[in-house]
Amino acid sequence: DIVMTQSPDSLAVSLGERATINCKSSQTVLYSSNNKNYLAWYQQKPGQPPKLLIYWASTRESGVPDRFSGSGSGTDFTLTINSLQAEDVAVYYCQQYYRTPSTFGQGTKLEIK
Amino acid sequence: LQLVESGGGLVQPGGSLRLSCAASGFTLSGYWMHWVRQVPGKGLMWVSRINSEGTSTSYADSVKGRFTTSRDNAKNTLYLQMNGLRAEDTAVYYCAPSFEAEWLDPWGQGTLVTVSS
Repeated sequence: DIVMTQSPDSLAVSLGERATINCKSSQTVLYSSNNKNYLAWYQQKPGQPPKLLIYWASTRESGVPDRFSGSGSGTDFTLTINSLQAEDVAVYYCQQYYRTPSTFGQGTKLEIK
Repeated sequence: LQLVESGGGLVQPGGSLRLSCAASGFTLSGYWMHWVRQVPGKGLMWVSRINSEGTSTSYADSVKGRFTTSRDNAKNTLYLQMNGLRAEDTAVYYCAPSFEAEWLDPWGQGTLVTVSS
């Protein structure tokens, strides 16, 4: 199975500042035939199901604020949240869908400093 | 687009439950469907998926041989039959669709399964 490792496990960022969450896969999730990274990011707020933010590692889902961005390729990926808002407090997960079983990172808890 | 899971509850170890996931506002038939579970306060674990026709399934090793995913496209509903339940199966179970091997969106609200004597 592909192991997804996120860092840090938790972080506290001041309102208006930038938050950066990293995700590393144990194998590449870049499919060479279409040059796409099979990597998604989700946001989960307390008491709610996960919500899709980013797919193909860097494509923002419709309706997601443009302060959320994804980057990276191969095995190393980053979710960046610019100008942090109070409503961004949540747990963030990366997921690879390159290979079955699909696997998730352990989650990163984002709080306000 | 809405997915509603049901069928969760308290069951004794070794018991069985069948979860359902009903879709409204869209047709499930064009999508692969997945079950993902989450122990309260913990992370996400993919459980199973079924292709759009219902002819192919995959399972996490931890549930293989005990859980069965099926679908009734005419009823726009996905199922998860869980047999031989263990304490470690206690979790919130979510259903979610994907376009074949892609991301999961949207997710249902989940149904809680508690395995305890």
